[in-house]
Amino acid sequence: QSVLTQPPSASGTPGQRVTISCSGGSSHVGITHVYWYQQLPGAAPKLLIYANNQRPSGVPDRFSGSKSGTSASLAISGLRSEDEADYYCAAWDDTLSRRVFGGGTKLTVL
Amino acid sequence: DVQLVESGGGLIQPGGSLRLSCAASGFNVSDNYMSWVRQAPGKGLEWVSVIYSGGSTYYGDSVKGRFSISRDHSKNMVFLQMNSLRVEDTAVYYCAREFFYESGSRKIPQNWFDPWGQGTLVTVSS
Repeated sequence: QSVLTQPPSASGTPGQRVTISCSGGSSHVGITHVYWYQQLPGAAPKLLIYANNQRPSGVPDRFSGSKSGTSASLAISGLRSEDEADYYCAAWDDTLSRRVFGGGTKLTVL
Repeated sequence: DVQLVESGGGLIQPGGSLRLSCAASGFNVSDNYMSWVRQAPGKGLEWVSVIYSGGSTYYGDSVKGRFSISRDHSKNMVFLQMNSLRVEDTAVYYCAREFFYESGSRKIPQNWFDPWGQGTLVTVSS
């Protein structure tokens, strides 16, 4: 059971906008930044969003992050086939004093 | 170019030991926080261990007392010594550089992993 809750799956058609949620509590998402990682099939995870809504160099602006209260979201606009991947949110859990991940969301591009 | 390359994975019997290595290039491991994160087959990510730039080490509850993280400054490498391995330790193990700082008056930690290595598979089975 992951500390951060994500839907197990999401889907969209090319060109669509999809959002993936990450919900938590007052000991993590509510007080820390949220980070997002993209894991393409057979590959290692890659940092996609840091500090709630910042994109590392090289990440397309089709990807955006937001946070409100104890929930965060990853939005992907202009969906492309190469966006098909697993997406994980992550944060610091201040009660457990450790790094925690969401269970991951498998995004399918139909 | 910043890069991490893991090695040392393989098939090991329950109760056995294995040492994973992570070779870094483009930055000094001793000046950074370095973490290990694992992913069981078909499952999500689980943080395993971290070594701080100052040398402090921390572990996830599931590996505490069995795993040990260390580094070698001269080789620019990080290691994960895994003892008393269990079937449930079967996973791909990733090495990652961790960015860490404390924010606000409460000094809440903020941390993220970038980059990640390609991973090394550890299979614990009889």
